[in-house]
Amino acid sequence: GAVVSQHPSRVICKSGTSVKIECRSLDFQATTMFWYRQFPKQSLMLMATSNEGSKATYEQGVEKDKFLINHASLTLSTLTVTSAHPEDSSFYICSAKYGYTFGSGTRLTVV
Amino acid sequence: GENVEQHPSTLSVQEGDSAVIKCTYSDSASNYFPWYKQELGKGPQLIIDIRSNVGEKKDQRIAVTLNKTAKHFSLHITETQPEDSAVYFCAASFDNDMRFGAGTRLTVKP
Repeated sequence: GAVVSQHPSRVICKSGTSVKIECRSLDFQATTMFWYRQFPKQSLMLMATSNEGSKATYEQGVEKDKFLINHASLTLSTLTVTSAHPEDSSFYICSAKYGYTFGSGTRLTVV
Repeated sequence: GENVEQHPSTLSVQEGDSAVIKCTYSDSASNYFPWYKQELGKGPQLIIDIRSNVGEKKDQRIAVTLNKTAKHFSLHITETQPEDSAVYFCAASFDNDMRFGAGTRLTVKP
């Protein structure tokens, strides 16, 4: 079946630094990937849609300059949280359109 | 845009009993309705899905029903086990747009 690998699973960074999260489709090509954010005990909120070879489409209220998305190949999409602040601490999850398979998530803690 | 409502927010059942979670959606164009199970600290896992041309689908202890006219769909888990304890999310999707319900925290007491 379709497998999406997400790394890292946990990351702690200092305020002001940037963090990159990778999402890879292991056994299929994903022209479209989705990035979600999930606060504790809440649902998944779509942040952006990542399209291979073109610019990502961001949801209303999501700062594109803060959450940089790159989808340079058919198997890899990355989300970079730039100049991270404590309020960016959250659980970030990617998914691929193929079967809507989700990655295992990344717990980001900004201190 | 699509709006998905999910009830109840928490559900506690005794092992062996059935659990039912219900969702409603607003956009009649939605044609794909997946259900996900999310355990603590992990990504959601697809457990069953249904498309708008089907009214019911079953996979062992899990079943999903869809009423397109009323725009609601439900997840049924029979013979619940402690390992079924998790947060369950419903979703409604059309093309690239998938929206999730708020989630149901299911606790199965041994």
